[in-house]
Amino acid sequence: QSVLTQPPSASGTPGQRVTISCSGSSSNIGSNPVNWYQQLPGTAPKLLIYSNNQRPSGVPDRFSGSKSGTSASLAISGLQSEDEADYYCAAWDDSLDGPVFGGGTKLTV
Amino acid sequence: QVQLQESGPGLVKPSETLSLTCNVSGGSMSSYYWIWIRQSPGKGLEWIGYIYYSGSTNYNFSLKSRVTISVDTSKNQFSLKLSSVTAADTAVYYCARGSGYSGETFDSWGQGTLVTVSS
Repeated sequence: QSVLTQPPSASGTPGQRVTISCSGSSSNIGSNPVNWYQQLPGTAPKLLIYSNNQRPSGVPDRFSGSKSGTSASLAISGLQSEDEADYYCAAWDDSLDGPVFGGGTKLTV
Repeated sequence: QVQLQESGPGLVKPSETLSLTCNVSGGSMSSYYWIWIRQSPGKGLEWIGYIYYSGSTNYNFSLKSRVTISVDTSKNQFSLKLSSVTAADTAVYYCARGSGYSGETFDSWGQGTLVTVSS
C-alpha cells in the first residue's frame, strides 16, 4: 500500500493528451513539492518533472506537471509510442521524515 | 554528467547481510545526498535511505534497524548494508543522487542490480 495514490493504469492513442493523477495528504503533497519519474521497460527510473512543474534539461515540453492542494497531475500531450512506461510520483513526507512514492501508473500507448 | 554504478553479490542467503556499493563517476560527491532505493519484482519503488556527502544519514523508518549507509568520498563511492535479510528483501537495488532541500529529488540513477535472497 503506497502512501501516494495513483491509478494503476492509463492509456491513450498517439497524438492524444493523457493525465495521470497522484493523491496524497497534508504531510506530503500538501506541504512539499512533487516529483515525477518515468521508468521505461527494463530500465532505471528517470527524473521527468521536479518541484511540481519543472522539467530537467532534455525532457520534452510535451510533459508537464501541476499541483493543487494534496493532489498532483502529470500531463503528456502529443502522446508517442516511446512514452509507454511506468510513471511514479513522489514527495517528501514530513510525518515519515522521508520521501514517499506512488504505486506507479502503467501507461499504454 | 554524473554516472552511478551498483556492484555486489546477486545472491544472499536468508539471515545474512546484503552489501552493495555504488561507484560515482563524472562528478563530485560534495553537496549532494546519496540514495538507495529498491524495487521488488513487479512492484513499486521504496526509498531505503540516504547519506549526505558529509556523512549524516536518514533511513526509512521501516528498515532503520537493519540498514547502514556509509560514504567514502576519497573513493567516490557509497555503500549499503542491510542485515538479517529475508525473501521480502529480494529486489532490484538502485543507487541515486539526491538534490533539493532534503535530497528528495533523485536526478541521477544507477542501472540497478538485482539481489535475490535465497538459500
